[in-house]
Amino acid sequence: GAVVSQHPSWVICKSGTSVKIECRSLDFQATTMFWYRQFPKQSLMLMATSNEGSKATYEQGVEKDKFLINHASLTLSTLTVTSAHPEDSSFYICSARTAGNYNEQFFGPGTRLTVL
Amino acid sequence: SQKIEQNSEALNIQEGKTATLTCNYTNYSPAYLQWYRQDPGRGPVFLLLIRENEKEKRKERLKVTFDTTLKQSLFHITASQPADSATYLCASHSSNDYKLSFGAGTTVTVRA
Repeated sequence: GAVVSQHPSWVICKSGTSVKIECRSLDFQATTMFWYRQFPKQSLMLMATSNEGSKATYEQGVEKDKFLINHASLTLSTLTVTSAHPEDSSFYICSARTAGNYNEQFFGPGTRLTVL
Repeated sequence: SQKIEQNSEALNIQEGKTATLTCNYTNYSPAYLQWYRQDPGRGPVFLLLIRENEKEKRKERLKVTFDTTLKQSLFHITASQPADSATYLCASHSSNDYKLSFGAGTTVTVRA
């Protein structure tokens, strides 16, 4: 149980285009989902926290207008990187948490974004 | 915010030996410390959680300790196997803020 999927697993796009990444909890309801970014040989950096049905809370330094997050249902959250540039190239990972267990986050397999 | 330091970027050990990884935190004492395994190009996989009032936690060949005096957690892999080769991440959160702060990870390579 507690499986989180991400789609796509990798994407290559041209500079200036927008990319949407989906995060799904497959066998549980995720009241909270988190989006992280990881650069090579660096730690996971939290970008934003999203609760189902409400606006996402962004970490300091993360542009909310560039990284649009939608958590429309208890099993789906999306991250849209708008007007992507090469510096946005990174490994994007989502995680999900249930209402009953605040301690454990279940992570997705990640999405590798490369902006040319 | 919490700062997590894993002071070894890489650790190479012989199969069968014990790997010991260190995680230090610098600010407030976290309520929980967690350890994850991350394989290349994959998301982290949860391994163990230890609470601040627990000294030690075990799961099969894994052992985690939590020393609030030293502000440190140690992660041990006993009887290591080549399949244990991966990057291991330490993460913490407080009891009133469940956002995780991650260390940069230690990459373990187990030689056959």
